[in-house]
Amino acid sequence: GAVVSQHPSWVICKSGTSVKIECRSLDFQATTMFWYRQFPKQSLMLMATSNEGSKATYEQGVEKDKFLINHASLTLSTLTVTSAHPEDSSFYICSALKEPEQYFGPGTRLTVT
Amino acid sequence: AQRVTQPEKLLSVFKGAPVELKCNYSYSGSPELFWYVQYSRQRLQLLLRHISRESIKGFTADLNKGETSFHLKKPFAQEEDSAMYYCALSVTGGGNKLTFGTGTQLKVEL
Repeated sequence: GAVVSQHPSWVICKSGTSVKIECRSLDFQATTMFWYRQFPKQSLMLMATSNEGSKATYEQGVEKDKFLINHASLTLSTLTVTSAHPEDSSFYICSALKEPEQYFGPGTRLTVT
Repeated sequence: AQRVTQPEKLLSVFKGAPVELKCNYSYSGSPELFWYVQYSRQRLQLLLRHISRESIKGFTADLNKGETSFHLKKPFAQEEDSAMYYCALSVTGGGNKLTFGTGTQLKVEL
């Protein structure tokens, strides 16, 4: 199989604080992981590509200093939302690449109050 | 830049009726097309990809380059097909990045 987990599944934080979301490939190694954002009843929007051992590649319009990505091992990528604001509230989904397919995590619901 | 369009937000059909979920794309090169499905309270999962030309759970999809379409079809809808369906595209040399359509909610009624 190819299972991807995310932690936490939901988180509430206060405006101005930072929150870290973990994405793990449980039974395979992934040199490449992806982070998506999904607004209510809308599609998944790719935020960035996370590459193990190197800097993440961000999509146009995504603030790299706000959404910090670290891919320190072959099974773990983290997304840190820094100085969160209410407009950052969303559903964040990661996927891990096991060629030729992306396997998706269950998502993390972030609410910033 | 590439784009994926799914014109229907919601498609409601009766059990046993044929289903067609529309997907059109815009990309000047040769894309790879996918259909992903998300059942209620479950994660996104791959349903099929055009390269493999498989039939999964009775669903098929043919890439029509002339019409730039990749419609998903099933001859007889089942209640368990009710889910959110996303069409997605990746491009050669694009690092496996996916561009998703806005999704179509399929509701199969008894």
